[in-house]
Amino acid sequence: NAGVTQTPKFRVLKTGQSMTLLCAQDMNHEYMYWYRQDPGMGLRLIHYSVGEGTTAKGEVPDGYNVSRLKKQNFLLGLESAAPSQTSVYFCASSSDRVQPQHFGDGTRLSIL
Amino acid sequence: EDQVTQSPEALRLQEGESSSLNCSYTVSGLRGLFWYRQDPGKGPEFLFTLYSAGEEKEKERLKATLTKKESFLHITAPKPEDSATYLCAVRLNYGGSQGNLIFGKGTKLSVKP
Repeated sequence: NAGVTQTPKFRVLKTGQSMTLLCAQDMNHEYMYWYRQDPGMGLRLIHYSVGEGTTAKGEVPDGYNVSRLKKQNFLLGLESAAPSQTSVYFCASSSDRVQPQHFGDGTRLSIL
Repeated sequence: EDQVTQSPEALRLQEGESSSLNCSYTVSGLRGLFWYRQDPGKGPEFLFTLYSAGEEKEKERLKATLTKKESFLHITAPKPEDSATYLCAVRLNYGGSQGNLIFGKGTKLSVKP
């Protein structure tokens, strides 16, 4: 019963490098979300998707891109990583707008 | 501006010492308030959803209540395993943000044996 799985769990990048974070859910949920969590701040929404092939901007979308080519996967990309993007990234999914979001265990990303 | 404020930031209790956590909000078009528990190194785990003032939900030693401007998470006779950060989030229901959540910064609860 995996739920929401995020890979990798940890990563260290150098400024300017690119990478993709993968989120996979096995609950057949339509909605998927990417958040970042920083010390002293609440979870902030980066991008979200309301179904396969759709994406939308959240509160803090700059510097990130996303894709939802398959219903079960939601990818978060950093094209040119910056130290300000050092954070813990969480993926979540929900069956619709009303139901609670279910979270993965996060990707801890450090950018030097 | 939509805001969710949780207090206190940190709370230390002795085992068995009951207390409450507060979540106050100023949002337009509230459509649900959520409580989550987050353990170190883990993602938030869903606890409760409240939709209308006066509503209450219970789970083991936890009880969540909702008024028009705030929610309380009451912890009765807590145990060390209740130690975690508790997050509050409100769901918006207007414009293009329908369904999106705004999170508070959380209350870190420590329960000592």
